[in-house]
Amino acid sequence: DTGVSQDPRHKITKRGQNVTFRCDPISEHNRLYWYRQTLGQGPEFLTYFQNEAQLEKSRLLSDRFSAERPKGSFSTLEIQRTEQGDSAMYLCASSTGQDQSSYNSPLHFGNGTRLTVT
Amino acid sequence: QKEVEQNSGPLSVPEGAIASLNCTYSDRGSQSFFWYRQYSGKSPELIMFIYSNGDKEDGRFTAQLNKASQYVSLLIRDSQPSDSATYLCAVTDKLIFGTGTRLQVFP
Repeated sequence: DTGVSQDPRHKITKRGQNVTFRCDPISEHNRLYWYRQTLGQGPEFLTYFQNEAQLEKSRLLSDRFSAERPKGSFSTLEIQRTEQGDSAMYLCASSTGQDQSSYNSPLHFGNGTRLTVT
Repeated sequence: QKEVEQNSGPLSVPEGAIASLNCTYSDRGSQSFFWYRQYSGKSPELIMFIYSNGDKEDGRFTAQLNKASQYVSLLIRDSQPSDSATYLCAVTDKLIFGTGTRLQVFP
């Protein structure tokens, strides 16, 4: 299976602890995205990378959140001092970026990491 | 006004009927439009994408785009109970998803 891979699938942590999630994109995809989704809502954009460069970060993203993609391959999302409001599904997606006509290519999602903060 | 709006539903249709899902967006400059299906507890999976005004068909699915009116729709023909899911509209120029419409297909 060469789809987007996320680890772990589930994470339960206590409030105040730090957590880190990993995402491995489809190998030929140079764009990588992080989204957060809560029950009954659509995915909420957090940040995205073009290769190793972080090109955009949501204004909704507090400074407790940080993401890296050091070699332009896998990415990590870290949440420091977790709060109960951080409980959500964290989705990673990848794409080839823009096609020859400059249209955005489709995003392909991983299975997500479900975070529960107690 | 939300940037991407969808009726949350549920939209209930009988098996074999046509399900029509609609989405409006606020950014007139948007160029790329995607429909995703999401089963409960699962991640979104791509159904269709459309870039140009008009219709695009793929099997039982047809995406329709009207940039002048700023809406995009998804038609599902011959709806099946297995189509019951939440359908997400995405305008990826701005990396924005709608809240999704829950579709229920009853036998």
